[in-house]
Amino acid sequence: DAKTTQPPSMDCAEGRAANLPCNHSTISGNEYVYWYRQIHSQGPQYIIHGLKNNETNEMASLIITEDRKSSTLILPHATLRDTAVYYCIARGGSEKLVFGKGMKLTVNP
Amino acid sequence: NAGVTQTPKFRILKIGQSMTLQCAQDMNHNYMYWYRQDPGMGLKLIYYSVGAGITDKGEVPNGYNVSRSTTEDFPLRLELAAPSQTSVYFCASRLQGNSGNTIYFGEGSWLTVV
Repeated sequence: DAKTTQPPSMDCAEGRAANLPCNHSTISGNEYVYWYRQIHSQGPQYIIHGLKNNETNEMASLIITEDRKSSTLILPHATLRDTAVYYCIARGGSEKLVFGKGMKLTVNP
Repeated sequence: NAGVTQTPKFRILKIGQSMTLQCAQDMNHNYMYWYRQDPGMGLKLIYYSVGAGITDKGEVPNGYNVSRSTTEDFPLRLELAAPSQTSVYFCASRLQGNSGNTIYFGEGSWLTVV
């Protein structure tokens, strides 16, 4: 699986859009981009995933650049409950599933 | 479906004791994983399994053992508990193959070794 790079932390004002970046410059053609988040002490929660096209669900939107070397997770109207560690993973057919350090998002009132 | 079930939720062990963390899933998932998470840190992969009878080491396997005798169960064994194994342990599972399959996590098991 390709290595991903995220900034260690980010702040966002409540009610504003939170744009979480992820770099995956070595991603291969069959690798999906996954986003998970972990709210304090809970198990990680699936958010969204995509291969090439932009994706949207009830939680978030995923924007993948045309060259697929980076992506952005968008939480359109961040709330205090969105404060969590967010993990971006590029995963293909590998059986292993390794999480990086993730990025701590803090939503401020 | 119950999803991924971990037991116990909390446990205190003395140094040198042994114990098994249980993990069961009822989704007929081929792949199962054990992670540990130290305070303020990310998830580290301990062991994983791609099916009954097949297990492999992850990033931090030392001090642990696993077995996979059935598709449903993937227990994690600590033989000689050490304070460094104080952590939160998460079990996870997913379907084989298709890169689009999501992964499901249990609620975690908090282990303290004193």
